[in-house]
Amino acid sequence: AQKVTQAQTEISVVEKEDVTLDCVYETRDTTYYLFWYKQPPSGELVFLIRRNSFDEQNEISGRYSWNFQKSTSSFNFTITASQVVDSAVYFCALRNSGGYQKVTFGTGTKLQVIP
Amino acid sequence: EAQVTQNPRYLITVTGKKLTVTCSQNMNHEYMSWYRQDPGLGLRQIYYSMNVEVTDKGDVPEGYKVSRKEKRNFPLILESPSPNQTSLYFCASSPPDLGTDTQYFGPGTRLTVL
Repeated sequence: AQKVTQAQTEISVVEKEDVTLDCVYETRDTTYYLFWYKQPPSGELVFLIRRNSFDEQNEISGRYSWNFQKSTSSFNFTITASQVVDSAVYFCALRNSGGYQKVTFGTGTKLQVIP
Repeated sequence: EAQVTQNPRYLITVTGKKLTVTCSQNMNHEYMSWYRQDPGLGLRQIYYSMNVEVTDKGDVPEGYKVSRKEKRNFPLILESPSPNQTSLYFCASSPPDLGTDTQYFGPGTRLTVL
């Protein structure tokens, strides 16, 4: 069975602070995909990043960065210099490879950025 | 424009009255899925389909049915809705290989069962 844990239920930060959202996963597969999605108050799911299990390079995209560590089964997401528009619920998700497309989401972290 | 559409977006119904939520994608994707989102539980997969006429249960299939008669459509059927199926539902589609693509989500359907 696969599992995704986002232990932080809610986080509040003051604008311009950095914030890291944690994601820990469990899977027996050797090949898998990890994702982060953003769900703003409007409700849609916005894709942020996909990471393949065989690619442990960290990634930076503007104010967003991701730290993938297979040794600790973690895929953490950092927002630098947070802005009010970053206020949303963020989900980490895990999908196995192959034909059986089972996707497991974490329970989400609600981020509130206070002006 | 590549998209996944769901209808209706909002629905209020009563216990036991059969309903269907439609989902359609225009990207010729093989895979489609249904999820429900509940507070504190994140998104949970209800059913998924790997291609036409191929469907399988996700984590929470009880009380739901699906069909995949055409590649572009994947309706979710609630034969006898109950209040515990009040939730926000998302349909998603993706190609078989997620190495270069991702899962595309519909805008969501908010269902209330009274």
